[in-house]
Amino acid sequence: QQPVQSPQAVILREGEDAVINCSSSKALYSVHWYRQKHGEAPVFLMILLKGGEQKGHEKISASFNEKKQQSSLYLTASQLSYSGTYFCGTDGTDKLIFGTGTRLQVFP
Amino acid sequence: NAGVMQNPRHLVRRRGQEARLRCSPMKGHSHVYWYRQLPEEGLKFMVYLQKENIIDESGMPKERFSAEFPKEGPSILRIQQVVRGDSAAYFCASSPGGAGGAYEQYFGPGTRLTVT
Repeated sequence: QQPVQSPQAVILREGEDAVINCSSSKALYSVHWYRQKHGEAPVFLMILLKGGEQKGHEKISASFNEKKQQSSLYLTASQLSYSGTYFCGTDGTDKLIFGTGTRLQVFP
Repeated sequence: NAGVMQNPRHLVRRRGQEARLRCSPMKGHSHVYWYRQLPEEGLKFMVYLQKENIIDESGMPKERFSAEFPKEGPSILRIQQVVRGDSAAYFCASSPGGAGGAYEQYFGPGTRLTVT
């Protein structure tokens, strides 16, 4: 039931864009996105609830297609601070099930 | 506004000893989750608690592991007779509500457990 993220890793130059996908095999009520820097705690980015709503957070936005049971995270004009591992989390009856993770590295 | 607090940040135990990890949720949050993370891996759910209740412990090994969230004080994750395979980062998260994925979770800094 663990959601699958793709790609597993992304390397970008500053200013480039990236898309991270999260797919589930089960129907979803919500999708969470978190970013974790090496040696640190995961940090909440955004939550999307059933309804196909797109959300934004600075230059990071996300969409949620509950029919396709997937979500995408869009990072535009990437900055060095965007480097880290991105996890999606999907609802699993009273808990979140976190995805496999996508490692993003942004270079100058 | 203090965030989620965890202590200790680093814990070294010899095989066979007990490890006690503490988590104080954000003010106003009564829902606590514990996760385990191995190096270079994702977050694995262990247990979900509300005050004085274990709601879901499906991710916690049945042997040696226990968790509590008393009416007063922090949530405690207890690992008895630790083995080398218990070495990991243990994160606690809190949220203002339960209901699965309806609420954001805020993570503490984690406890890095090393078993020698």
